[in-house]
Amino acid sequence: DTEVTQTPKHLVMGMTNKKSLKCEQHMGHRAMYWYKQKAKKPPELMFVYSYEKLSINESVPSRFSPECPNSSLLNLHLHALQPEDSALYLCASSQDRAGGRFTDTQYFGPGTRLTVL
Amino acid sequence: QKEVEQNSGPLSVPEGAIASLNCTYSDRVSQSFFWYRQYSGKSPELIMSIYSNGDKEDGRFTAQLNKASQYVSLLIRDSQPSDSATYLCAFRTGANNLFFGTGTRLTVIP
Repeated sequence: DTEVTQTPKHLVMGMTNKKSLKCEQHMGHRAMYWYKQKAKKPPELMFVYSYEKLSINESVPSRFSPECPNSSLLNLHLHALQPEDSALYLCASSQDRAGGRFTDTQYFGPGTRLTVL
Repeated sequence: QKEVEQNSGPLSVPEGAIASLNCTYSDRVSQSFFWYRQYSGKSPELIMSIYSNGDKEDGRFTAQLNKASQYVSLLIRDSQPSDSATYLCAFRTGANNLFFGTGTRLTVIP
């Protein structure tokens, strides 16, 4: 089973709202990722958690706040977003096996389509 | 600066033909390479991964890697209308970063 789930599927929020995106996997993967994808563009990495610790933050604005409560869950907290933040937000996971194996494959969830009004 | 360039699309092929998708990358330490397929409005789906020079075949798909030329390609044999999608190549260095190309839009014409 290579399933990564994301909720909600769609989210519409105003610029003053606070909302959260959720991601879950039960494959025993120890690395989880958030990507942002604008229309007709490739996914752009935002954050990486490895063994529940934030390992990569690609200079993402502080209005995006990631959280990894446990090895199966990944959240992205949103606050005071701008209309240009409207995009497809993708979660992915990979095994991240100890020893730094570079053959890890990332599996993507279905994404959350976010619209900021 | 890590860059991935894909052959500019869109690419149209007739049903049953071979579709050829190409990708070059700039980072010489890249160690693993992936092809993802993305249907409109959906998330990327892994098609192939390749780590060693040469060819790797899986059904109608063949990935080819040439690390000396920093080149990776994907051949789709007997193309079907259901193969119509955007194909993203990606490479990974030793860290967890995955760098994507801009994608090539493929249309298979019945």
